[in-house]
Amino acid sequence: SQQGEEDPQALSIQEGENATMNCSYKTSINNLQWYRQNSGRGLVHLILIRSNEREKHSGRLRVTLDTSKKSSSLLITASRAADTASYFCATAHISNFGNEKLTFGTGTRLTIIP
Amino acid sequence: NAGVTQTPKFQVLKTGQSMTLQCAQDMNHEYMSWYRQDPGMGLRLIHYSVGAGITDQGEVPNGYNVSRSTTEDFPLRLLSAAPSQTSVYFCASSLNSPGSTGELFFGEGSRLTVL
Repeated sequence: SQQGEEDPQALSIQEGENATMNCSYKTSINNLQWYRQNSGRGLVHLILIRSNEREKHSGRLRVTLDTSKKSSSLLITASRAADTASYFCATAHISNFGNEKLTFGTGTRLTIIP
Repeated sequence: NAGVTQTPKFQVLKTGQSMTLQCAQDMNHEYMSWYRQDPGMGLRLIHYSVGAGITDQGEVPNGYNVSRSTTEDFPLRLLSAAPSQTSVYFCASSLNSPGSTGELFFGEGSRLTVL
């Protein structure tokens, strides 16, 4: 089963507004990562937050992590048309065999309206 | 920099045929993985490898085989293709394991249709 689930599944906002996406996960994690996927392309890494961190910033991106609620949020400020993409959270955790793996959520489709 | 290279980009198979999706990276990454992406399902992990000679199963390994004989290559084999394996397949690699600083670098995907 999926480790993470994003909410909402789809989001449309006006250019210049802020966009917030949420991610919930099920088991304990080592870190949580956010990725972007433009239509028909591979995923691109945006930001990583470790399990002992609560907030992290990168340019117009702000990520928060609440391990007690097993949830994370991604905020994109001052959105641009180029931000139109699907956004995925991914959680790193230990498999039954002791190796680490990265499991993705179902994604949020963000559309920025010019 | 080539990064992660997947071939072929598109493939059509008939049920029961076999094929191999190729993945190569030139970044000397130890960690490599295969995902499939289906509408509404996000990305699901098929198999992954933490180094040459070491592989492990992901969420949906049935119907797929992998091997890791070199650091650079991580091929995904479909032994007897089924329509349920129609999907877009992504290969990804990272320098370290995802639990440390393992940012994944993705290929551009291989779109497979099984008739």
